Amino acid sequence: EAGVTQFPSHSVIEKGQTVTLRCDPISGHDNLYWYRRVMGKEIKFLLHFVKESKQDESGMPNNRFLAERTGGTYSTLKVQPAELEDSGVYFCASSTTLAGGETQYFGPGTRLLVL
Amino acid sequence: AQSVTQPDIHITVSEGASLELRCNYSYGATPYLFWYVQSPGQGLQLLLKYFSGDTLVQGIKGFEAEFKRSQSSFNLRKPSVHWSDAAEYFCAVGITDSWGKFQFGAGTQVVVTP
Repeated sequence: EAGVTQFPSHSVIEKGQTVTLRCDPISGHDNLYWYRRVMGKEIKFLLHFVKESKQDESGMPNNRFLAERTGGTYSTLKVQPAELEDSGVYFCASSTTLAGGETQYFGPGTRLLVL
Repeated sequence: AQSVTQPDIHITVSEGASLELRCNYSYGATPYLFWYVQSPGQGLQLLLKYFSGDTLVQGIKGFEAEFKRSQSSFNLRKPSVHWSDAAEYFCAVGITDSWGKFQFGAGTQVVVTP
């Protein structure tokens, strides 16, 4: 069974540019999550999809971030325009059911550097 | 406020020695508790989790963790570390009023010396 995959693995862009991160969850997982780790800080929740619907987007930093999940399959996270403080590692995770104690399976992350 | 604390940012341990990583949480109720590991260049891998039952939980790679309600702790242990255990370890809490959301500690970097 393929795990959660993320693309690209690394991205270096200049301030003001746009970047789109992609996440492919484990097949059959309805729940998809985005997290971010800024250097030296803890991993923080950004948002949660159930199928194609946003269940919780309370962690999204501001309106420069736009997440979509087309047809309830893969998800994209677009940052437009990127700022220096957006640098960090963006993790995607997926899970089957929305139940207490349900394991979230994480991808390898996308390392974003904004110059 | 709800929080997860990993007091040790960095730990150095000799190969073959025991390892204990600390995790404390602050929540109104018993949360769901997880330990993840991130090896260099890899994603987060689940080591073990606790949500009910026996408070001593066995995980993969020879790790175990003990939930202590009185101390609000969920410490991770391994009796004898291997060089391959060098990685960053994260304690995470599943927030019971928002089951889709995990809250993570800041992580503990483990260095294993020969």
